[in-house]
Amino acid sequence: QITLKEAGPTLVKPTQTLTLTCTFSGFSLSTSGVGVSWIRQPPGKALEWLAVIYWNDDKRYSPSLKSRLTITKDTSKSQVVLTMTNMDPVDTGTYYCAQQERYNWGRLVDWGQGTLVTVSS
Amino acid sequence: DIPMTQSPSSLSASVGDKVTITCRAGQTVSSFLNWYQQKPGKAPRLLIYAVSNLHSGVPSRFSGSGSGTDFTLTISGLQPEDFATYYCQQTYTTYTFGQGTKLEIK
Repeated sequence: QITLKEAGPTLVKPTQTLTLTCTFSGFSLSTSGVGVSWIRQPPGKALEWLAVIYWNDDKRYSPSLKSRLTITKDTSKSQVVLTMTNMDPVDTGTYYCAQQERYNWGRLVDWGQGTLVTVSS
Repeated sequence: DIPMTQSPSSLSASVGDKVTITCRAGQTVSSFLNWYQQKPGKAPRLLIYAVSNLHSGVPSRFSGSGSGTDFTLTISGLQPEDFATYYCQQTYTTYTFGQGTKLEIK
């Protein structure tokens, strides 16, 4: 059974850096084709894909947020970390991590429950 | 980024109806088009991948079609549990989502 869980602060101040950790089980990030993506969703709005890291350390970022994002992995701990700099109130929302299958049409099969991040002073 | 445009943004339908949601890509995404269902307060759930392939456990009343830039999700015989928001996503290059289509009970 695959599970993913997001963890991080629920409240950050404007201009601060957000660090989120996705801890997963049931798969390995050393397996060919496997990746972990981050997706966010402002309250009442659409999903927005942010970044992905693959088993081979290939990383892709949303072009509009690339300058603010860094994604890393710790395969031994089954964790993926996303950092987002210079947080703004418009970054408020639920942040999800999900397992991505690169060689299966990039589908996002298993998702975490999401973690709500509020940006406010 | 490849923009993905869904229509309609919302629609009302009744149990038993057939509904179609469309998704248009700003450029070709080949067959790298997936559909997700999201219910309030829950994470999205994969429905269809590669345009028309039903994910495991998804009822056969869901179907997908299209190619290149134009795609559709069809639900034949709406059930009460189908009222939700639906998103398309292209995974051809980076991975953009559509803006969502909210399916409400009439």
